[in-house]
Amino acid sequence: QKEVEQDPGPLSVPEGAIVSLNCTYSNSAFQYFMWYRQYSRKGPELLMYTYSSGNKEDGRFTAQVDKSSKYISLFIRDSQPSDSATYLCAMSEAGTYKYIFGTGTRLKVLA
Amino acid sequence: NAGVMQNPRHLVRRRGQEARLRCSPMKGHSHVYWYRQLPEEGLKFMVYLQKENIIDESGMPKERFSAEFPKEGPSILRIQQVVRGDSAAYFCASSPTDRVITGELFFGEGSRLTVL
Repeated sequence: QKEVEQDPGPLSVPEGAIVSLNCTYSNSAFQYFMWYRQYSRKGPELLMYTYSSGNKEDGRFTAQVDKSSKYISLFIRDSQPSDSATYLCAMSEAGTYKYIFGTGTRLKVLA
Repeated sequence: NAGVMQNPRHLVRRRGQEARLRCSPMKGHSHVYWYRQLPEEGLKFMVYLQKENIIDESGMPKERFSAEFPKEGPSILRIQQVVRGDSAAYFCASSPTDRVITGELFFGEGSRLTVL
């Protein structure tokens, strides 16, 4: 079993839709949770990070962490074609510097 | 402030040759990570370095791979006697000390190694 599981997609949605991206994990020691966006042939860029459980909102993006279920989500409201990219979740244990990434979910927002 | 610079962006090597990938972190960042990405796979941790020190190399194969981050100059990922299975995109990321815990890594655009 992988430490971090993420559906590879592709996920296709119409412009303006609400997108839900998810990851599950097995290591209950994970405390820091990140979402990165990666455009084709580019490096990942950090979108959001959260510590422990709860929600965090930044513009059209909302990150949720449910540690009891070992499940994290990224919601994108009013999705745009420019949001078309691969979204990677990442997580780490407190006090360590090794970040474990999911395989990424490919998102296509259709105009 | 320039971003993380990686070079070369593309590198072609024949089996048995050496590959050297360079990474200049963002200014003021003393923490460097190397990740490998295979097609349709996520980023696999290889090594984490601070200036002149290897902190964690648990993700790096014991043979043929080495990494350094000298006091002066870029971080280098070196792959000796490359094999076809080494073909991948290699990403470098850097972080300032106060962002390492929160996972705020700044990635370069990657070096794509093709082994013929």
